[in-house]
Amino acid sequence: EDQVTQSPEALRLQEGESSSLNCSYTVSGLRGLFWYRQDPGKGPEFLFTLYSAGEEKEKERLKATLTKKESFLHITAPKPEDSATYLCAVQDPSNDYKLSFGAGTTVTVRA
Amino acid sequence: DGGITQSPKYLFRKEGQNVTLSCEQNLNHDAMYWYRQDPGQGLRLIYYSQIVNDFQKGDIAEGYSVSREKKESFPLTVTSAQKNPTAFYLCASTQASSGNTIYFGEGSWLTVV
Repeated sequence: EDQVTQSPEALRLQEGESSSLNCSYTVSGLRGLFWYRQDPGKGPEFLFTLYSAGEEKEKERLKATLTKKESFLHITAPKPEDSATYLCAVQDPSNDYKLSFGAGTTVTVRA
Repeated sequence: DGGITQSPKYLFRKEGQNVTLSCEQNLNHDAMYWYRQDPGQGLRLIYYSQIVNDFQKGDIAEGYSVSREKKESFPLTVTSAQKNPTAFYLCASTQASSGNTIYFGEGSWLTVV
């Protein structure tokens, strides 16, 4: 069964229009949740790691938060260069070396 | 520059042929991975290796093979037994001391013609 579900699949925003992406997970005993950014035809670029409920991390216009069942990636006042696919992944509770990835949310920011 | 280098970027394979994708890292990471990415799907783990001369199957290992003879190298062979090999392949690595953050290469596109 799916361990990581991301929504929405696609998000179209106007420049400056803030929004949030959702990543829900079903693993118990979360050991780590990761956010990546992926540009078309490129490898994913690491953004954040979150380990416990209530934790928040920020980088420029991006802020990631974590609850016991989901994580949100908030994009504040996005710019066209924030257009990308954002991937969420959770660490396998029985194997630190394995990650389960969601299908991603493709964000398009129009000028 | 430190990083993960994958080659070639684009590869075309005829049906029935084996092809090998190269992955080299100079980050001194212990663990290396191969993922497959298909449109609309999450990354799926093919194989991973925690140390030299050892590797484990991931979720979709059938039709693939790997070797880990050197710490910095983890080549992936896509064999003729892989029925649907056309995909984007990603190599990655991690050092346990970094909190297991996995870093990715730029990817290789494989197309069967």
